[in-house]
Amino acid sequence: GAVVSQHPSWVICKSGTSVKIECRSLDFQATTMFWYRQFPKQSLMLMATSNEGSKATYEQGVEKDKFLINHASLTLSTLTVTSAHPEDSSFYICSVPQGNQPQHFGDGTRLSIL
Amino acid sequence: GENVEQHPSTLSVQEGDSAVIKCTYSDSASNYFPWYKQELGKRPQLIIDIRSNVGEKKDQRIAVTLNKTAKHFSLHITETQPEDSAVYFCAPQAGNMLTFGGGTRLMVKP
Repeated sequence: GAVVSQHPSWVICKSGTSVKIECRSLDFQATTMFWYRQFPKQSLMLMATSNEGSKATYEQGVEKDKFLINHASLTLSTLTVTSAHPEDSSFYICSVPQGNQPQHFGDGTRLSIL
Repeated sequence: GENVEQHPSTLSVQEGDSAVIKCTYSDSASNYFPWYKQELGKRPQLIIDIRSNVGEKKDQRIAVTLNKTAKHFSLHITETQPEDSAVYFCAPQAGNMLTFGGGTRLMVKP
């Protein structure tokens, strides 16, 4: 089955920095990938759907200019948190759907903004 | 969009007892019903799933039951062990999109 690689696993940076997170589908070509955010002691909330070769679809309340998504190839989607602030500190995780099979999740990225 | 509710939010049981977590959903187009276990700081791990043409599925100590008419499905864990302590999420899927429930923190006391 598909294996998903997500990097980095942990980022600590200063307020105002932009942070890029990569999600790679190693065994499967993915026209769609999903990005979730999980705050402490809360559930996973879908942020956006990444579409290969076209614009991402953002969920209500997620700022597309702040969370830039690029899905330029069938194996890579990137999420860039621009000008990050402490309230953006969270656990970000991607997933890759595979037809009728269970989705495959990356290991997640813990983002801490000082 | 899908509205998913999961109960209870916390559950404390004695080792060896059973635990049941219930999930209700709203989208009748949902046709895949997984349960995930998440340990602190890690990704969700699929522990059992069921599709809409089946009412019950069992895998050793874990079972899932589905009532599609009533739009709910439940996770059953028997003979609980301390290592079952974690947060559990239901995530009904419509098309290729999962919607996660609010989570249940299960604590198994030795």
